[in-house]
Amino acid sequence: EAGVVQSPRYKIIEKKQPVAFWCNPISGHNTLYWYLQNLGQGPELLIRYENEEAVDDSQLPKDRFSAERLKGVDSTLKIQPAELGDSAVYLCASSKGLAGAGTTDTQYFGPGTRLTVL
Amino acid sequence: AQSVAQPEDQVNVAEGNPLTVKCTYSVSGNPYLFWYVQYPNRGLQFLLKYITGDNLVKGSYGFEAEFNKSQTSFHLKKPSALVSDSALYFCAVRDRDNYGQNFVFGPGTRLSVLP
Repeated sequence: EAGVVQSPRYKIIEKKQPVAFWCNPISGHNTLYWYLQNLGQGPELLIRYENEEAVDDSQLPKDRFSAERLKGVDSTLKIQPAELGDSAVYLCASSKGLAGAGTTDTQYFGPGTRLTVL
Repeated sequence: AQSVAQPEDQVNVAEGNPLTVKCTYSVSGNPYLFWYVQYPNRGLQFLLKYITGDNLVKGSYGFEAEFNKSQTSFHLKKPSALVSDSALYFCAVRDRDNYGQNFVFGPGTRLSVLP
């Protein structure tokens, strides 16, 4: 079974430029998560999708960040414009069950996209 | 509110010795607890989880963890460390009684196993 796929793996951009990250979750997984991981720290949730619905985006900086999960499968996270402080690793994860239904299912993580903003 | 503490930034252990990576948590209800490992330039890999039942949970690569409700702890252990166990370890918690609550991850503990 293929794992969570993310692309690109690395991205270097200049500040004020836009950037987008793509995630393909494990087949059949209904819940998709985007996390931000700063160097030496644990992941912090940005947004959680259950199927195609964003059920928790309270930590997403909506002035510059946006996300979508069309058809409840792949997802894209966008930053426009990027700032120096956005340099981090952006992780995507998926789980089969719905967190809102109390699932105990494990989250599986992709390899992440390392963003460097110059 | 949920929180996870990993009191040690770094743990050093000699190869062949037992290892322990500590985790304590705080939730208002009952916890789901997870351990993940992260190797350089990789995503997080699932090691094990506690949902309910037996307090001793066995996971991948010979790791195990013990849930202690009275001490609100979920320490990760391995009887004999390998150099290849050197990595960053994260504990995570979710409130079992609060549907829809997100996972909260600890800050991570860097494990170095010395040959």
